[in-house]
Amino acid sequence: EVQLVESGGGLVQPGGSLRLSCAASGFTFSDYWMSWVRQAPGKGLEWVANIKQDGSQKYYVDSVKGRFIISRDNAKNSLYLQMNSLRAEDTAVYHCVRKSPGDWWGQGILVTVSS
Amino acid sequence: QSVLTQPPSASGTPGQRVTISCSGSNSNIGGNPLSWYHHLPGTPPKLLIYNNNQRPSGVPDRFSGSKSGTSASLAISGLQSEDEGDYYCAGWDNSLSGVVFGGGTKLTVL
Repeated sequence: EVQLVESGGGLVQPGGSLRLSCAASGFTFSDYWMSWVRQAPGKGLEWVANIKQDGSQKYYVDSVKGRFIISRDNAKNSLYLQMNSLRAEDTAVYHCVRKSPGDWWGQGILVTVSS
Repeated sequence: QSVLTQPPSASGTPGQRVTISCSGSNSNIGGNPLSWYHHLPGTPPKLLIYNNNQRPSGVPDRFSGSKSGTSASLAISGLQSEDEGDYYCAGWDNSLSGVVFGGGTKLTVL
């Protein structure tokens, strides 16, 4: 069974950094594009970033360009999102997603940016 | 303001057929496949339709998708109470070089 388990969320002050991780299992991780999608409180779904199977292509939504970095380690079946210069508007539940648009979603992890 | 436009709400009674629309442009719906998702609070979104009209295994055939030009729609027949929740369309946008989502449609089963 496909499993995507996010970790690394929590409370961080504006301007701070956080690194999200996603542990994948139940499928051949290196065969798939992977994505991060978020949902702010009371808002809809918003795609954040995605990365090609070998990490050679990465795309970001404009609002996070220059602040967030998506990466992956195929040997560890893991996806990452390094989030820097965090803002209040980055507060959301972040989902790790297989493919783009996704076909399988993790439960999500809450990131709260507040002083 | 979402790139893909969906009605904010829809409703129907048990057994009815409802449709949810998704409108875009040539850079997204007009040129790329579309997916549909069902989302309940506290749970991860579930893929209902991919490649405009394909259902993953396990999704009932009550759910169907269609696309014409720069618009698409999701039809739910034989509406059931468990169909309540938020529905989103999504696809790749060539101009933005990214995935775009509709704003979501909240479906209520009366």
